[in-house]
Amino acid sequence: GAVVSQHPSWVICKSGTSVKIECRSLDFQATTMFWYRQFPKQSLMLMATSNEGSKATYEQGVEKDKFLINHASLTLSTLTVTSAHPEDSSFYICSAIPGDGYTFGSGTRLTVV
Amino acid sequence: DAKTTQPTSMDCAEGRAANLPCNHSTISGNEYVYWYRQIHSQGPQYIIHGLKNNETNEMASLIITEDRKSSTLILPHATLRDTAVYYCIVIDTGTASKLTFGTGTRLQVTL
Repeated sequence: GAVVSQHPSWVICKSGTSVKIECRSLDFQATTMFWYRQFPKQSLMLMATSNEGSKATYEQGVEKDKFLINHASLTLSTLTVTSAHPEDSSFYICSAIPGDGYTFGSGTRLTVV
Repeated sequence: DAKTTQPTSMDCAEGRAANLPCNHSTISGNEYVYWYRQIHSQGPQYIIHGLKNNETNEMASLIITEDRKSSTLILPHATLRDTAVYYCIVIDTGTASKLTFGTGTRLQVTL
């Protein structure tokens, strides 16, 4: 089946630094990808919709200048958490639509210290 | 996409069938019912989906009521590895619409 590869699976960074998370569609092209955030014992919350070749669409309350999304090709979307702080520590998940339904990446555990 | 309602948690003995209900009373005619599960610290995994007919695959069966306002996911022989949060979501696959996750059902399979 269709695979969405997400990298890294976990990252620890210092407060104030930036972290980039990659999401790749391995065997299909994805004009649209989605980025979610999940805090412990909570459900997935959509952060933004990434559109190839155009600006991302952010959900209400998500700072677009803090969570930079780039979708420069049909197989790669990146999420950069800029000037990360401990409250940004979370589980970040991307997803794409290979055709029938949605496929999710394995997630990235971000810990900001 | 239509909203879904699921019980917060359920327990099931290993080897027994796990029946997970979902209400989606506002589902529209072109929306499919999808089920995903999320094992701790992993991305959601696709299980099964259907429009109006019952469906079965190697993982589970999906029973959709005739009025399509509710459905049940059946894991015929639950194992400890099936312990996860199960999400029922209705999706209009004709549009690249964003998914809205509810709280899901936390299934605990016990010995």
